[in-house]
Amino acid sequence: EAQVTQNPRYLITVTGKKLTVTCSQNMNHEYMSWYRQDPGLGLRQIYYSMNVEVTDKGDVPEGYKVSRKEKRNFPLILESPSPNQTSLYFCASSWGLAGEQYFGPGTRLTVT
Amino acid sequence: KQEVTQIPAALSVPEGENLVLNCSFTDSAIYNLQWFRQDPGKGLTSLLLIQSSQREQTSGRLNASLDKSSGRSTLYIAASQPGDSATYLCAVKGDSNYQLIWGAGTKLIIKP
Repeated sequence: EAQVTQNPRYLITVTGKKLTVTCSQNMNHEYMSWYRQDPGLGLRQIYYSMNVEVTDKGDVPEGYKVSRKEKRNFPLILESPSPNQTSLYFCASSWGLAGEQYFGPGTRLTVT
Repeated sequence: KQEVTQIPAALSVPEGENLVLNCSFTDSAIYNLQWFRQDPGKGLTSLLLIQSSQREQTSGRLNASLDKSSGRSTLYIAASQPGDSATYLCAVKGDSNYQLIWGAGTKLIIKP
C-alpha cells in the first residue's frame, strides 16, 4: 500500500531534550516536506527536500533541522525543543514539486 | 505574498443537501490548487487537484472548480452524508517557489 508513515504518532517531552520524528514514504517520491499545524494559523511549511541531499527552508524553519540521506526518509529533528514547538506535525511527499501531495497521519508533539 | 481564505469557517447542514465550500487566493500566479479533507485526530486526505490550466475536476460526489483570474475555487458536495463531516482545506501552490499556502479550513457538519 502506498503511504507516508510517521513515528511516533504522539510524543510528550520536556524542554531541551533532543528528539527526532521519522518520516518514510514507499512511493519513490522525490519531494518531501514537513508542516506544522496550529489552531488559528493553519498549516505552515517547516522544511522541504527536492531530492537526496537537497533540503531548503520553508516558512517556519527556526528550531528545526532535517536531513535527506535516503530518498524514502526525511526525519525532522528538534535539537532543543521548546514549548512553542508544541504542535501537530505532518510529513508529506509527492512526485516532484508539482505533484499531488500525500500526507502522513501526523505526530502530535507536546513540549512541557 | 499569497494569502488563502476559506469562508465560511464552519457550516452545518442537514443530510442530503448539496453544498458549496469556498476558497479564495490573492495571487493568481498559481501552479495548482488542491482540496483536502481532515478528520479529527487524523491526517490529511487529498480530494481533488486542479492544475492552473484546468477549470474543474470531479471525483464521485465532489466537484472542484477553479477561476484563476478571479482567485477563487469552489468545492461542491452533492447529496451530503454524515460521513462527509470533516474539516476541508484548500491549498495553493505557487508557480515560482512551488510552496503550498493553506487556507484555515471550513469545518463541515452534516446532521443526520
